[in-house]
Amino acid sequence: DIQMTQSPSFVSASVGDRVTITCRASQAISNYVAWYQQRPGEVPTLLISGASILQTGVAPRFSGSGSPTDFTLTINTLQPEDVATYFCQNYFDVPLTFGGGTKVEI
Amino acid sequence: EVQLVQSGPEVKKPGESLRISCKGSGYGFSSYWLGWVRQKPGKGLEWMGLINPGTSDTIYSPSFQGLVTFSVDKSTNTAFLQWNTLRASDTAIFFCARHYGSSYGSLDSWGQGTPVTVTA
Repeated sequence: DIQMTQSPSFVSASVGDRVTITCRASQAISNYVAWYQQRPGEVPTLLISGASILQTGVAPRFSGSGSPTDFTLTINTLQPEDVATYFCQNYFDVPLTFGGGTKVEI
Repeated sequence: EVQLVQSGPEVKKPGESLRISCKGSGYGFSSYWLGWVRQKPGKGLEWMGLINPGTSDTIYSPSFQGLVTFSVDKSTNTAFLQWNTLRASDTAIFFCARHYGSSYGSLDSWGQGTPVTVTA
């Protein structure tokens, strides 16, 4: 299985800060990485696919980069509604695997 | 609009069987793989596997192989996740999600989740 090592597991930041979350794959997975946001008590939603493709309706302060083993999710100008847990995911090979999650608090 | 609507919460006893459902609408149900994701209380996301609704072909994560069964009813655009013998450790929220895009696809639309509690 491809392991997705996500860090940090917890971030406390202020409104307006830039937050960076990283995810390292245990093998090269090209750009087959997705990032999800799960607000407290809610369903996960897809933010980014293909490592850097922002989904329709997602705020442009979110961005993704990286390939083929190291990936980054950046939240520019953190907003109160960004309080959530963020997960990376490999979809290069089965079993699809998620990172352990990063909880972002303000 | 793509929608995945799951069946309601379940409370079961260890050893019982269970089948939960996920009904798709707003898109070609048979054209996209449908995955299942487990989230234990306070924990992260675990991909359980997927089913091709058009062919009923399945791929199970090794962690769930033999423990659950995926099936689909194309006539009602509904996918199912089934347990024959529940254990307390199966207590979790289960999400269905549509696979979309290249390779195995990211999960672009999710059901609302079905909480399952297994307790004596």
